[in-house]
Amino acid sequence: DTGVSQDPRHKITKRGQNVTFRCDPISEHNRLYWYRQTLGQGPEFLTYFQNEAQLEKSRLLSDRFSAERPKGSFSTLEIQRTEQGDSAMYLCASSPRGLGGNTIYFGEGSWLTVV
Amino acid sequence: GQQLNQSPQSMFIQEGEDVSMNCTSSSIFNTWLWYKQDPGEGPVLLIALYKAGELTSNGRLTAQFGITRKDSFLNISASIPSDVGIYFCAGQETQGGSEKLVFGKGTKLTVNP
Repeated sequence: DTGVSQDPRHKITKRGQNVTFRCDPISEHNRLYWYRQTLGQGPEFLTYFQNEAQLEKSRLLSDRFSAERPKGSFSTLEIQRTEQGDSAMYLCASSPRGLGGNTIYFGEGSWLTVV
Repeated sequence: GQQLNQSPQSMFIQEGEDVSMNCTSSSIFNTWLWYKQDPGEGPVLLIALYKAGELTSNGRLTAQFGITRKDSFLNISASIPSDVGIYFCAGQETQGGSEKLVFGKGTKLTVNP
């Protein structure tokens, strides 16, 4: 499978716990994006990387959220001290270069339920 | 956050009928993308549009990038049961070189056999 891969697909955690999601982009895609989607809504942008550099962050990305892409390949999204409002699907996407001439491909998402 | 105005919110059609949905924005976009999402899955790219006025087809799907750069539509011809799902439009803003995609709330399509 050469698509965007996300792990885990589903995560149930207690409020206050930390969770981490991993994303493996399509090989040689230098752009990697994180989005969040709640029921009945479209995906909302969180952050994006060009190689290992985090170039853009949304105001939705509070201090409890941190994303890394240390070697410019896979990425992790960590949520500390989870709250019930963090329950959502977290989507990763990748692109071979920037928008405005190329396409962005999404993974299957990681569902988070905070109880 | 900012979202596009996507309509209709839902559609119930008979197999074989044509479908049309659209998105409008108060902002100018330089890229429009259309995605389809099945329950529990990530969005799958259907069509990408990069130039104002561009009309692009992908099988039974046709999409256009509005001349004003503030709107786009997606048509599906001769619908079949596997067309069922939620269709999202997404636009890339032009300001500041941002690569953020802004999504509509989706159009839920139901096709009755």
